[in-house]
Amino acid sequence: RKEVEQDPGPFNVPEGATVAFNCTYSNSASQSFFWYRQDCRKEPKLLMSVYSSGNEDGRFTAQLNRASQYISLLIRDSKLSDSATYLCVVYDYKLSFGAGTTVTVRA
Amino acid sequence: DAGVTQSPTHLIKTRGQQVTLRCSPKSGHDTVSWYQQALGQGPQFIFQYYEEEERQRGNFPDRFSGHQFPNYSSELNVNALLLGDSALYLCASSLAGSSYNSPLHFGNGTRLTVT
Repeated sequence: RKEVEQDPGPFNVPEGATVAFNCTYSNSASQSFFWYRQDCRKEPKLLMSVYSSGNEDGRFTAQLNRASQYISLLIRDSKLSDSATYLCVVYDYKLSFGAGTTVTVRA
Repeated sequence: DAGVTQSPTHLIKTRGQQVTLRCSPKSGHDTVSWYQQALGQGPQFIFQYYEEEERQRGNFPDRFSGHQFPNYSSELNVNALLLGDSALYLCASSLAGSSYNSPLHFGNGTRLTVT
């Protein structure tokens, strides 16, 4: 079983729509959780950390469910610039990346 | 404020050859991690260097080795290249002592093609 698994998508949504997707992780002792964004042929960049109580950063909302070992990311009012691959990242003794969920926002 | 820099940006090698990739961390960072990203996959952790020593290692064979210098810069060496080593190699820097919640700053990567 992979350490971090994501729905690869792609999620193809119109501008202004809400899109949400999950990520599951295998190690129940994982300590920290993040979402990174990766644009095509670019390096990953930190989007946001994920806290136990859930957290928002503008149009982005992240949730953590330790009991079921998944985290989620919700994007409200999607913009064309949100088109990217979103990488779920989990820390145990190292940062483990999922394969990414591709989101395409169309005009 | 200089970010993470990697060189070269692209490299083509033949099976069996050896390659060295280089990375300079973001100013103020002292920890360097290396990742391999195959097409369509997420980055896979190779190893991490701190205080010139390998601190953690992922599931990669001994053909993959590294080094960190006193100025915190780092090298990734891959011996006996295989076709499957073709990938984007990403260097990321961070601050020690807070690895579990310290965001990684990635370089643009080195795209290695093995023919």
